[in-house]
Amino acid sequence: DTEVTQTPKHLVMGMTNKKSLKCEQHMGHRAMYWYKQKAKKPPELMFVYSYEKLSINESVPSRFSPECPNSSLLNLHLHALQPEDSALYLCASSRLQLAGGQETQYFGPGTRLLVL
Amino acid sequence: QQQVKQSPQSLIVQKGGISIINCAYENTAFDYFPWYQQFPGKGPALLIAIRPDVSEKKEGRFTISFNKSAKQFSLHIMDSQPGDSATYFCAASLRNTGKLIFGQGTTLQVKP
Repeated sequence: DTEVTQTPKHLVMGMTNKKSLKCEQHMGHRAMYWYKQKAKKPPELMFVYSYEKLSINESVPSRFSPECPNSSLLNLHLHALQPEDSALYLCASSRLQLAGGQETQYFGPGTRLLVL
Repeated sequence: QQQVKQSPQSLIVQKGGISIINCAYENTAFDYFPWYQQFPGKGPALLIAIRPDVSEKKEGRFTISFNKSAKQFSLHIMDSQPGDSATYFCAASLRNTGKLIFGQGTTLQVKP
């Protein structure tokens, strides 16, 4: 099973709202990722968690706040977003090699976010 | 240089033909090269991947060719089918970072 699930599928929010995106995997992967994808563009890395600890933050604005409550769950908390933050938000997970090498990243279906 | 350059931007192929997508990179710290297929409204799905110590990898109708000295790799889709119509992204992984750098994508249309 290589399934990564994401909820909700679609989200519409105003600029003053607070909302959260949820990602879950049960593959035993210890690396989890958040990506942002604009239409007709490749995914852009936002955050990486390794062993439930934030290891990479790609200079993402603080209105995006990630959280990894356990090894299977990854959340992205959203607050005071801008219309230009409208995009497809993708979660991915992968195994971690002991030597730090790359393992395949498996993506979820994404949450389509619209900020009004 | 962390870029991965992908071409062409779009590709139209007749059913049964061969689709070829090319990618090039500069950074020798890349150590893993996956290809992803993405349908509209879906997340990217891993298609096939290769490590730089291998020059070719084939899985069904999909083949990656890898030229380490030229820092280029390509995806060949044999006997292309209308169901292959999607956006294809090449990617390269930066060693020991967890970072996956994507090419700009190729939109493939296979005409029946």
